Amino acid sequence: AQTVTQSQPEMSVQEAETVTLSCTYDTSESDYYLFWYKQPPSRQMILVIRQEAYKQQNATENRFSVNFQKAAKSFSLKISDSQLGDAAMYFCASKGPSGTYKYIFGTGTRLKVLA
Amino acid sequence: GAGVSQSPSNKVTEKGKDVELRCDPISGHTALYWYRQSLGQGLEFLIYFQGNSAPDKSGLPSDRFSAERTGGSVSTLTIQRTQQEDSAVYLCASSLGRANYEQYFGPGTRLTVT
Repeated sequence: AQTVTQSQPEMSVQEAETVTLSCTYDTSESDYYLFWYKQPPSRQMILVIRQEAYKQQNATENRFSVNFQKAAKSFSLKISDSQLGDAAMYFCASKGPSGTYKYIFGTGTRLKVLA
Repeated sequence: GAGVSQSPSNKVTEKGKDVELRCDPISGHTALYWYRQSLGQGLEFLIYFQGNSAPDKSGLPSDRFSAERTGGSVSTLTIQRTQQEDSAVYLCASSLGRANYEQYFGPGTRLTVT
């Protein structure tokens, strides 16, 4: 069975600094997808970034990038130039191969951004 | 266009009462998910609808929970004889389904059972 582990319940970062959120996963699939979602206080979950397991290149979306280590089953999120609006819960999630639909979510990391 | 909407945004009910939570997915999205988010926990999968296929109910925690999706659009999650442990945020998400895997989430319904 797939599992997703986020070992950091809470992280803090100074505004304009860089922070990395950790995520490890376990799957027996060779083809899968990984995601980071952001949940601000409004509760609306927003997709931040996604990575296809077959792609070796790390995904990047503006200030957000991932460090995907397939052999280590690690999928960390790096936020550069942190902004006050980045404060939120961040969830790591995995999904199996194309044609499957179940997502497995981690327990989340609360990110605080200090002015 | 309009995103996923859920109603009510907050619901307080007495233990033993039944509640209905509603989800309006994005128009044209064939896949619909319900999740439960308890305090300090991740998202717990409850049920999945895809088009006219039989739903995957494997995540429903007990037979007090049920869900339906009418006309391939609006979905209702019903919890009968609510218990205090049912208190949580219930999130709905929709996607184009099949090979398209990006989920779009609603704002959730916070259920409090007193």
